[in-house]
Amino acid sequence: QSVVTQPPSASGTPGQRVTISCSGSSSNIGIKTVNWYRQLPGTAPKLLIYSNNQRPSGVPDRFSGSKSGTSASLAISGLQSEDEADYYCAVWDDSLNGGVFGGGTKLTVL
Amino acid sequence: EVHLLESGGGLVQPGGSLRLSCAASGFRFSTYAMTWVRQAPGKGLEWVSAIGEDGTTTNYANSVKGRFTISRDNSKNTLYLEMNSLRAEDTAVYYCGRDWSCDYWGQGTLVTVSS
Repeated sequence: QSVVTQPPSASGTPGQRVTISCSGSSSNIGIKTVNWYRQLPGTAPKLLIYSNNQRPSGVPDRFSGSKSGTSASLAISGLQSEDEADYYCAVWDDSLNGGVFGGGTKLTVL
Repeated sequence: EVHLLESGGGLVQPGGSLRLSCAASGFRFSTYAMTWVRQAPGKGLEWVSAIGEDGTTTNYANSVKGRFTISRDNSKNTLYLEMNSLRAEDTAVYYCGRDWSCDYWGQGTLVTVSS
């Protein structure tokens, strides 16, 4: 059981907007920045959002991140079939003195 | 272009040891922290360990503390993970990532702990 929790699954239809939540505590999300990663089947993860809401170059602006208190969210607008993947949030935890990943959310495009 | 290439994975018996390497290229290795992340078959990502730019700062997940040692050789642009007292639950694909944020990842190397 991770100290940072995500819903195990999410779904949407093409063109729709979906959000994925990441819930933590005062020792991690409450005081540290959150990163988001996407992992396509059989491939290595890829950084999608860093520092809560920053996109690396090459990541479309359909992807956005936000943080409030001890929770963070990833939003994907204009959903496409190729967005079907596993999404993970990650953050540093001061109590553990280490990094933690959320359990991951499997996004299905219906 | 940033490139990370893990190696050293394989089949090892419980209680055994293994050393993973991560060869880095395309960036100034000595100016970045580095991270190891693993993924058990069919499971999510698990943060394992990280090391600062000069190797003096190291952090470990509780699940590997005392058994795994992270190190780096900046003259060889290489990151290492020494794994001892391996258990079945250490079976996973091990990825190296650049920086604390893992802005770039390698393709991973599979470690299987089984008798």
